[in-house]
Amino acid sequence: DTEVTQTPKHLVMGMTNKKSLKCEQHMGHRAMYWYKQKAKKPPELMFVYSYEKLSINESVPSRFSPECPNSSLLNLHLHALQPEDSALYLCASSQASAGGSYNEQFFGPGTRLTVL
Amino acid sequence: AQSVTQLGSHVSVSEGALVLLRCNYSSSVPPYLFWYVQYPNQGLQLLLKYTTGATLVKGINGFEAEFKKSETSFHLTKPSAHMSDAAEYFCAVRPTGTYKYIFGTGTRLKVLA
Repeated sequence: DTEVTQTPKHLVMGMTNKKSLKCEQHMGHRAMYWYKQKAKKPPELMFVYSYEKLSINESVPSRFSPECPNSSLLNLHLHALQPEDSALYLCASSQASAGGSYNEQFFGPGTRLTVL
Repeated sequence: AQSVTQLGSHVSVSEGALVLLRCNYSSSVPPYLFWYVQYPNQGLQLLLKYTTGATLVKGINGFEAEFKKSETSFHLTKPSAHMSDAAEYFCAVRPTGTYKYIFGTGTRLKVLA
């Protein structure tokens, strides 16, 4: 199984709502990532978890809160978002060998988020 | 800091023509190199990746990339474009010792009938 799944596919939320995005993989990958992608732009890294611990936070606003409850799951909790946070949110996973390997990332299909 | 440059944000080719998408990286130490494709409203899919020992890398869907250390390049080619190749293509690097993948700005490939 080389699939990364993301739910929901689409999400519309108001600025006062709290919602969560979910990502799951069963490839045994111990590195998982959240990216934000605006239209016609490359993915922007938000967070990286390695071995269920947060290893990279790219100065993301606190209204985005990641969580890695186990080695297969990655969540992104959303609270008090702004309209400019509307984007495609991509999850990815890879083997966890930062020191020296050619591990590619496997991406999910993304969650299209609209903040009203 | 490591960076990736993709020359040409839009490339148009005729069906059956050669596809050439350019990627240059900035480091004197070759990072790990990847090409991804993204179709509309989808995630990214790996086309190919560079591993040591082979300067010409073959990927899926007939794509290839040639690693040229002297030119710090990793250009993507396909001998004959197909309509289904129309998509956004991203070159990415991962510097050694980090989980951080750095993406180029992308090239949108249009295939003309």
